[in-house]
Amino acid sequence: GQQVMQIPQYQHVQEGEDFTTYCNSSTTLSNIQWYKQRPGGHPVFLIQLVKSGEVKKQKRLTFQFGEAKKNSSLHITATQTTDVGTYFCAGHNDYKLSFGAGTTVTVRA
Amino acid sequence: DAGITQSPRHKVTETGTPVTLRCHQTENHRYMYWYRQDPGHGLRLIHYSYGVKDTDKGEVSDGYSVSRSKTEDFLLTLESATSSQTSVYFCAIKSLGPNTEAFFGQGTRLTVV
Repeated sequence: GQQVMQIPQYQHVQEGEDFTTYCNSSTTLSNIQWYKQRPGGHPVFLIQLVKSGEVKKQKRLTFQFGEAKKNSSLHITATQTTDVGTYFCAGHNDYKLSFGAGTTVTVRA
Repeated sequence: DAGITQSPRHKVTETGTPVTLRCHQTENHRYMYWYRQDPGHGLRLIHYSYGVKDTDKGEVSDGYSVSRSKTEDFLLTLESATSSQTSVYFCAIKSLGPNTEAFFGQGTRLTVV
């Protein structure tokens, strides 16, 4: 079955620095979705990528979908304390929505 | 936030007892999901539903059963709770089509002692 893997599992970032988290699927995806979960909260949808090679930006967040539609990345520039949380990617396969293990981000002020 | 409610929000139960978690939605979304979240494992799919009385297993379905007798409710039952089922359980809903986002409930923290 489809598996979605994320690296790194943890990301400790100095405030103001950039970082990237990666998502890889064992199968070709029809789309990739990204969610953010704040500590103690529930996952909240951030964005969806559908087209091969697609790039989307949300302020300091840049999302990319690979050409083969099997991988994706989230790049955050100038990290802020508000970026703390766990970022999940999710792949859709028929009715199933499968999530990666997530990247948990902590920020050093 | 989307109209999705989980109950109870917290529960402590003893090993071997049955437990039912409820997910209720007011959005009339077709798809409903149950996930468990554990440190280092992210969100793992337990069961999902693609319509009334239409359910299927996810990747960690052993020890769990589900029922969906009406659109708005999706029940997750632990037939005989074990300590390994101590976790945070999230319900999610999603409308028809692959390019729609999922909305999550607030979560249920279940402790099996």
